[in-house]
Amino acid sequence: GEDVEQSLFLSVREGDSSVINCTYTDSSSTYLYWYKQEPGAGLQLLTYIFSNMDMKQDQRLTVLLNKKDKHLSLRIADTQTGDSAIYFCAETEGSYIPTFGRGTSLIVHP
Amino acid sequence: EAGVVQSPRYKIIEKKQPVAFWCNPISGHNTLYWYRQNLGQGPELLIRYENEEAVDDSQLPKDRFSAERLKGVDSTLKIQPAELGDSAVYLCASSLVAGTDSGANVLTFGAGSRLTVL
Repeated sequence: GEDVEQSLFLSVREGDSSVINCTYTDSSSTYLYWYKQEPGAGLQLLTYIFSNMDMKQDQRLTVLLNKKDKHLSLRIADTQTGDSAIYFCAETEGSYIPTFGRGTSLIVHP
Repeated sequence: EAGVVQSPRYKIIEKKQPVAFWCNPISGHNTLYWYRQNLGQGPELLIRYENEEAVDDSQLPKDRFSAERLKGVDSTLKIQPAELGDSAVYLCASSLVAGTDSGANVLTFGAGSRLTVL
């Protein structure tokens, strides 16, 4: 089965908060990442969190990690139309090579 | 800094034809990755180089795919002959270090090469 799982779609209204969820299976994951992919572009790192942390905040982005449940979330406050993109969750463990989820398409409508 | 540069951006070929993709990584990044991204999927690793050495090519279909990274900088990925199922976006990425305990492994991706096999 999938090592990293995400829901495929999320639709929000402009100005609302978006929460994108991810679950992973590898209990030895050391770092967890969120990447953003805009149409026709490669993936761009948004943020990452070390596995011994449970929260990280960076401007409009808040990452929550529940290591017990192997659950990672990305909250985007005051979501804007420019946030419309595909968001990928990824994890690294001993090999330090990221394993990516299928991505969540975030659609922001006025 | 130009970022990771890939070419061509788009390629349309008929099945059984060869195709090659080129990647120029971030200057100083010793680790280079080729990923394949199928429609609606996340990137899947094909091959990883540390400097000139291919250290992980277990997912590379070696009967038709080949890659090289001469002089530990630019890299090419070749498919010969191409099949219909090879249609995908081929992403190149680079990072400063991998396989160490130096912390997070942050990859910088290129824009990708979209291959359509007819």
